[in-house]
Amino acid sequence: AQKITQTQPGMFVQEKEAVTLDCTYDTSDPSYGLFWYKQPSSGEMIFLIYQGSYDQQNATEGRYSLNFQKARKSANLVISASQLGDSAMYFCAMRESQGSARQLTFGSGTQLTVLP
Amino acid sequence: EAGVAQSPRYKIIEKRQSVAFWCNPISGHATLYWYQQILGQGPKLLIQFQNNGVVDDSQLPKDRFSAERLKGVDSTLKIQPAKLEDSAVYLCASSLVRANTEAFFGQGTRLTVV
Repeated sequence: AQKITQTQPGMFVQEKEAVTLDCTYDTSDPSYGLFWYKQPSSGEMIFLIYQGSYDQQNATEGRYSLNFQKARKSANLVISASQLGDSAMYFCAMRESQGSARQLTFGSGTQLTVLP
Repeated sequence: EAGVAQSPRYKIIEKRQSVAFWCNPISGHATLYWYQQILGQGPKLLIQFQNNGVVDDSQLPKDRFSAERLKGVDSTLKIQPAKLEDSAVYLCASSLVRANTEAFFGQGTRLTVV
């Protein structure tokens, strides 16, 4: 079974508007972390935001916020006031705490295009 | 703070040849990952080290891929012999051991097998 599912292969958003990128996850571990990364066409993976499973509040980092719904096992990324430079691939990832491995597992990504 | 260093950035080889990639993680990061990212897909974990020990290599094709982490710092990933389907970007990442810390990625090595 997929641990991280991103159902939107591609998304378009108008500049200055907000956009939500979906991510659902599957785990039986009570303690885990959820991460979002941005990968521009240049290829580097840029960390955006982190949400811990025990965090009471949704994480925010500048224009990025994470809509964390634990019961639904979803961790959607919200980008406010989109900019042309936000055009990139976005990956959701999860790290579970149990076991020695603590793998960082990625979803298949969403290609976001910001339109002028 | 210096980031994760990888080399080479690009490599083109013929099938059945061998190739090696090098990674130098961020100082103090005990966990090191090698990922394979095929064009248009998410990164797939090949192997994970904690210090100089392997903690997960379940998705590493061990008949052709090998990796080592010398003295718990630098790491090399080798493919021998390469196949066409190995064409991908190979990403190295490192992190602290704690589960709630992000992994930092290098710029990757783009491998083309012809």
